[in-house]
Amino acid sequence: AQSVTQPDIHITVSEGASLELRCNYSYGATPYLFWYVQSPGQGLQLLLKYFSGDTLVQGIKGFEAEFKRSQSSFNLRKPSVHWSDAAEYFCAVGATSGTYKYIFGTGTRLKVLA
Amino acid sequence: EAGVAQSPRYKIIEKRQSVAFWCNPISGHATLYWYQQILGQGPKLLIQFQNNGVVDDSQLPKDRFSAERLKGVDSTLKIQPAKLEDSAVYLCASSLGVNSPSTGHGYTFGSGTRLTVV
Repeated sequence: AQSVTQPDIHITVSEGASLELRCNYSYGATPYLFWYVQSPGQGLQLLLKYFSGDTLVQGIKGFEAEFKRSQSSFNLRKPSVHWSDAAEYFCAVGATSGTYKYIFGTGTRLKVLA
Repeated sequence: EAGVAQSPRYKIIEKRQSVAFWCNPISGHATLYWYQQILGQGPKLLIQFQNNGVVDDSQLPKDRFSAERLKGVDSTLKIQPAKLEDSAVYLCASSLGVNSPSTGHGYTFGSGTRLTVV
């Protein structure tokens, strides 16, 4: 069974600063990996996903993530944060067989200072 | 294309009452999921349907929760009777099918139903 850990519950950055949100996973093989964003009162929106191939994945809204097998990590990055990026971010790990279900982390709430 | 539709958006009920949530997935999506998201936590899978069959309901509290997808399209999740700890956002998601690299699809989520049990 897979699991995912997001070590940071809250992160605060200044607008224009760079951002890195951490995600560590546990799975018996290379999993499918996802980052979702959730604004207050909204559903989950897919930012990017990793299935295979290039370990640096580009997503929407200027986000990218890097899969590092040796560290079992899939950290999300953005070079310059905008105030509209304030939201909650969830990392998810998907099984690559069986029901292909996703397991979500507990989320990281991002606050952006003007 | 239209997204995943859920209703109602909000529901407040007293404990021991019953409640039902409805989800209409994206047209053509064979797989439908119900997730429970308690405040401050990540979504937790309750049940997964492939067409009208259940493929995973291992975390569904079956003594009080039930779900169906009779015609393999829309789905209903019911809670009877509700408890205070059921207060959460109930998210529905759908996907084209098996999420293999050849399909390249992730889930598409609806906006959710926020349930408050008082």
